[in-house]
This record gives sequence, C-alpha cells and structure tokens, in this order.
Amino acid sequence: GESVGLHLPTLSVQEGDNSIINCAYSNSASDYFIWYKQESGKGPQFIIDIRSNMDKRQGQRVTVLLNKTVKHLSLQIAATQPGDSAVYFCAENTGGFKTIFGAGTRLFVKA
Amino acid sequence: EAGVAQSPRYKIIEKRQSVAFWCNPISGHATLYWYQQILGQGPKLLIQFQNNGVVDDSQLPKDRFSAERLKGVDSTLKIQPAKLEDSAVYLCASSLGSSDNEQFFGPGTRLTVL
Repeated sequence: GESVGLHLPTLSVQEGDNSIINCAYSNSASDYFIWYKQESGKGPQFIIDIRSNMDKRQGQRVTVLLNKTVKHLSLQIAATQPGDSAVYFCAENTGGFKTIFGAGTRLFVKA
Repeated sequence: EAGVAQSPRYKIIEKRQSVAFWCNPISGHATLYWYQQILGQGPKLLIQFQNNGVVDDSQLPKDRFSAERLKGVDSTLKIQPAKLEDSAVYLCASSLGSSDNEQFFGPGTRLTVL
C-alpha cells in the first residue's frame, strides 16, 4: 500500500547548526509533497511544499529537496533555532486527493 | 484572519459511549478534512469534504464513525459507540481548493476513551 516514512525518528542538533530531516515515499504517482511542523498541543503547521515538476524549493531558512528517482524527500533547516524544536512530518498527495502523512521526526535543538 | 476552530479541546468518555466533535473552517475554504492522530503517529485522513460533498472517506470506520457538513461550512464528526482504540487527537483542517493546496489545521480535540 501507499506509505510515507521517515528514516530517523529523533534528531538532535546544536543551535545554529543546519538540520536535515529525511523522508521516503512509496507512491511514484504522488505529485505534491508537503512538510509540516507540529508543536506540542497544536495542529500541524505548513512549512513548505514542492510539486513533482521541481527538484528544489527554498523558503525562509528552509529548503525542500525532491529526488523522484529514489522517491526521497528532505527538509533542510538553516541555522536551527530553539523555536524549531518540534515534530516534523512529510506528507504526499496524489492528484489533489488523499494526503498521506509519515510517522514524523522529532527535532531537538540544544542551546 | 481567524484560523480553524475546533471544540471541545478535550473529551474523556467511557467505551461504548458516544461523542461528537465540531469544526469551523477558515471562511471561504471549500475543502474540509478530518484526521485522526494517534499518539506517536502522523495524522491519518478519515474524511475529506469538498463543499458539502464527500471526496474521500475510504479510511473512515463507517460502522461507528460518521461526519457531515450539511451547509458546506461547519462540520461535525461523531463516534458511536467509542472503543478504547479511538483514543487520539482528532484534527480538522481546511484548504481553499483541493488537497494539493496548503491545508490549515485546527488545534485538535484530544479524546480519551476509558
């Protein structure tokens, strides 16, 4: 079946360092990918998205890379800050229908 | 702009009881979603509405779960009767168009079934 998974369940980084969170997806027909940030007690918050016709997209301090050949997605956070501590989910969507979330990676930022 | 509103924020019930959750999406958003998030997992889509029609309810346990969005705005999700494994956070989200657009999530309702 379709699945979106993450390689590392927990990531710990030093404040100021760059963070890289990885995600694998299994549905080659997926054409829209999203990264969400979820803080404790809150709903997921959109960070950045990318469509399948792109390999890279940059936002403010965040970059998403898409490798369709190996069905891999990554989120890079530059100069990680304590406020970046949260659980990060990747999600995939096919044709505007059901969005499938991965299990999540917890990011700890050490001051 | 006001975000997605959900109530109640917390609910504790005993198994076999019934419970209902309410969601008010962002004004003008055509698509509304209900997700179930079990502790330590990612959200799982239960049902997706486009205006007042159902787009996808393939993962909704229809023997006990029901949802409606009668006027294409607010929505309710009901569980009857609840089971222990229904303990989770129920998230409502909305988007302007279909789900290949940014989804905005509410704070969720944390349900505990004893």
